[in-house]
Amino acid sequence: AQTVTQSQPEMSVQEAETVTLSCTYDTSENNYYLFWYKQPPSRQMILVIRQEAYKQQNATENRFSVNFQKAAKSFSLKISDSQLGDTAMYFCAFKGGNYQLIWGAGTKLIIKP
Amino acid sequence: GAVVSQHPSWVICKSGTSVKIECRSLDFQATTMFWYRQFPKQSLMLMATSNEGSKATYEQGVEKDKFLINHASLTLSTLTVTSAHPEDSSFYICSARDFENQPQHFGDGTRLSIL
Repeated sequence: AQTVTQSQPEMSVQEAETVTLSCTYDTSENNYYLFWYKQPPSRQMILVIRQEAYKQQNATENRFSVNFQKAAKSFSLKISDSQLGDTAMYFCAFKGGNYQLIWGAGTKLIIKP
Repeated sequence: GAVVSQHPSWVICKSGTSVKIECRSLDFQATTMFWYRQFPKQSLMLMATSNEGSKATYEQGVEKDKFLINHASLTLSTLTVTSAHPEDSSFYICSARDFENQPQHFGDGTRLSIL
């Protein structure tokens, strides 16, 4: 069975700093998708970034980028120039052949002014 | 972008009543919808998956008769919590997608409080 592990329950950084959130996963599949979702205090789940496993190039969305290491089964999220609005829970998720999302436990990120 | 509307956002009701939560895809056809439950400071727990026109597939441990799911159209799914009790109080989130290889889009969630 697939599992997703986020080893950092909580992190905090100063505004404008760069922060990296860790995510590892376990699967025997070769083709899959990985996602980072953001859940701010309003509790709406927002898709931050996605990565297809067959793509070697790391996905980037403005200040958000990933470091996808397929062999190591690692999928970290880097937030550059962090902003107060980035304060949220961040969830890493895996989607394999059954097309269901497997969720990590989440990392609470606090951006301090 | 794809929008999923979930209603109501917050409901408080007495123990023993039934509560219906609606989930609508506004600008795409939701072939598949998902219902999640989220406890405080925890991740999302999948309750059930529903495909339009078919019976929902429930995850192990989720009571089918307690949590009734209807997905009668490509834009609407409902979750009815029947005879709700305080232990059913939680945050419920729906999500929807059109094709299997597309991301899920989430509603804003419903905070259910049973007194």
